[in-house]
Amino acid sequence: QKEVEQNSGPLSVPEGAIASLNCTYSDRGSQSFFWYRQYSGKSPELIMSIYSNGDKEDGRFTAQLNKASQYVSLLIRDSQPSDSATYLCAVKEGGKLIFGQGTELSVKP
Amino acid sequence: SAVISQKPSRDICQRGTSLTIQCQVDSQVTMMFWYRQQPGQSLTLIATANQGSEATYESGFVIDKFPISRPNLTFSTLTVSNMSPEDSSIYLCSVLLAGAADTQYFGPGTRLTVL
Repeated sequence: QKEVEQNSGPLSVPEGAIASLNCTYSDRGSQSFFWYRQYSGKSPELIMSIYSNGDKEDGRFTAQLNKASQYVSLLIRDSQPSDSATYLCAVKEGGKLIFGQGTELSVKP
Repeated sequence: SAVISQKPSRDICQRGTSLTIQCQVDSQVTMMFWYRQQPGQSLTLIATANQGSEATYESGFVIDKFPISRPNLTFSTLTVSNMSPEDSSIYLCSVLLAGAADTQYFGPGTRLTVL
């Protein structure tokens, strides 16, 4: 069973801090990795994709990928209360997206 | 990106009945998928909707329970048949857009409650 694992949280950080979200995956052959954000009662929206080892930055968001360790993370700098949501890690395997269980993030003012 | 619409947005249904959910996209699409998100859970892929042919179902999902149609590139339906309270979930349409590599986008979802 190919798996994508995330800590369910909740992860609570103060406003302005860095939030660090982590994800591990089981399929060594995976090449495409995604982070989605899902607000309560809404559908997932894509934040970032990453395909190569290393860091990829987009505004306050940085995705990090380490294929050797089968690990992908998302850093949110200067966290805002509006970042409070569930963050879903997704890995493409065999042409299909496999989702982790999501990490609930709460940013306290 | 694209505009992905789903109808209905929500419904409350009686046990034993069926509901058909529609998904319409306003851009060219290469692939369409249907997901289920049970309360407090992550997303589970039900099937890949194939244009003009039978959908490809994931383990644990069968055509008799979740018939899917995709008559053209930008439209698909998912039917939840002979519903039970365990079918209460959010059902999400997802697409790969032409020219957008392998980035998958989601529709707004259909919130189904079965009494």
